[in-house]
Amino acid sequence: EDQVTQSPEALRLQEGESSSLNCSYTVSGLRGLFWYRQDPGKGPEFLFTLYSAGEEKEKERLKATLTKKESFLHITAPKPEDSATYLCAVQDGGGADGLTFGKGTHLIIQP
Amino acid sequence: GAGVSQTPSNKVTEKGKYVELRCDPISGHTALYWYRQSLGQGPEFLIYFQGTGAADDSGLPNDRFFAVRPEGSVSTLKIQRTERGDSAVYLCASSEQGGPYEQYFGPGTRLTVT
Repeated sequence: EDQVTQSPEALRLQEGESSSLNCSYTVSGLRGLFWYRQDPGKGPEFLFTLYSAGEEKEKERLKATLTKKESFLHITAPKPEDSATYLCAVQDGGGADGLTFGKGTHLIIQP
Repeated sequence: GAGVSQTPSNKVTEKGKYVELRCDPISGHTALYWYRQSLGQGPEFLIYFQGTGAADDSGLPNDRFFAVRPEGSVSTLKIQRTERGDSAVYLCASSEQGGPYEQYFGPGTRLTVT
């Protein structure tokens, strides 16, 4: 059974204070690892897909990296508008197309 | 272009009643997914459609839950004999095709069973 564990559950940073969110996963074979951002009362918003260990992707202040066991979402010099819950999900190679999500990291950036 | 839309945005129903939740995917997307999200949890997969057929319904919790996509576009999630434990946000997502491609989510329907 696929498992996704995200840490920390919550993180409070000062504006400009860089940090990383962790996503550890267990799958039979990884087809893709996905990062989403979710604001209160809204659906998840797609950020990145990573397919193989060593891959990295960047978007504005966010960079996602992938190893064989975990993924990191690095946030550089965050701003208050980066406050949200960040969700990690995996799609395994066993033929199932549904994503398995972690519980998310609730990120608060204080001005 | 237009994103995924879901109606209604909120639904309050009494225990034992029947409800239907609707999803309009992004035009041209052949893959459609339903998820359920409880407070403080990540979305939980329910069912996946490729075209008109349910390719994977392994996430449906029991036979009170059923979903259709008769013309390969709009989908309806149907819940019979609702229970208080069914209260959650029901999310729909669509993708250009099945497989490891980004899924775009709608805003969700918040279902409350009293």
